[in-house]
Amino acid sequence: QSALTQPASVSGSPGQSITISCTGASSDIGDYNYVSWHQQHPGKAPRLIIYEVSDRPSGVSSRFSGSKSGNTASLTISGLQAEDEADYYCNSYTSNNVLVFGGGTKLTVL
Amino acid sequence: QLQLLESGPGLVKPSETLSLICTVSGASISSSTYYWGWVRQPPGKGLEWIGSISYSGTVYYNPSLKSRVTMSVDTSKNQFSLRLSSVTAADTAVYYCARHPSGSYHHFDYWGQGTLVTVSS
Repeated sequence: QSALTQPASVSGSPGQSITISCTGASSDIGDYNYVSWHQQHPGKAPRLIIYEVSDRPSGVSSRFSGSKSGNTASLTISGLQAEDEADYYCNSYTSNNVLVFGGGTKLTVL
Repeated sequence: QLQLLESGPGLVKPSETLSLICTVSGASISSSTYYWGWVRQPPGKGLEWIGSISYSGTVYYNPSLKSRVTMSVDTSKNQFSLRLSSVTAADTAVYYCARHPSGSYHHFDYWGQGTLVTVSS
């Protein structure tokens, strides 16, 4: 299974909205509604922010939202804040009980 | 409050076996509804799933690492472990243990703090 494809970097100004894409294949994102997103600040462990495409764990801001179309999933962050600056990773379940991550996207808040 | 804590040698020689333990507190590893997993992150790079295991020992491994990986559970100590054989410099990474949420194998909801393992002679 190949890693999912994410843009290396995205940026936005405070208050703006940004979207990070995560492209897979029909054997992973296209076939299952099991896409999750994690946020990772430098030197810290990843933190789950979206699971099963669009659900948010308790305590995660509603500014974070997820969606999927075909083989591509997306994470949207609205009302960008300085604290959102971090790396973001998508993750999908694939056939044969294998999990695969995206390469990660560095979000810069200008 | 669930906590996961990785432990093990921070330095492993090439061709040897990397061994790590994850100690779980705040939840019983014997619960039949959870899977437990390992994820690694080479310095400056992205996340890579290594494998996941249930309390009963059902395991799923990353196909790219399957020939070198062994995971096990010790319910008496509330721990699970990772062994990665024949390591090379490419196995240098921060290794995280993590939990899959109840009834779901599809993502991780709790992560340990991670432990850096360097492969070097």
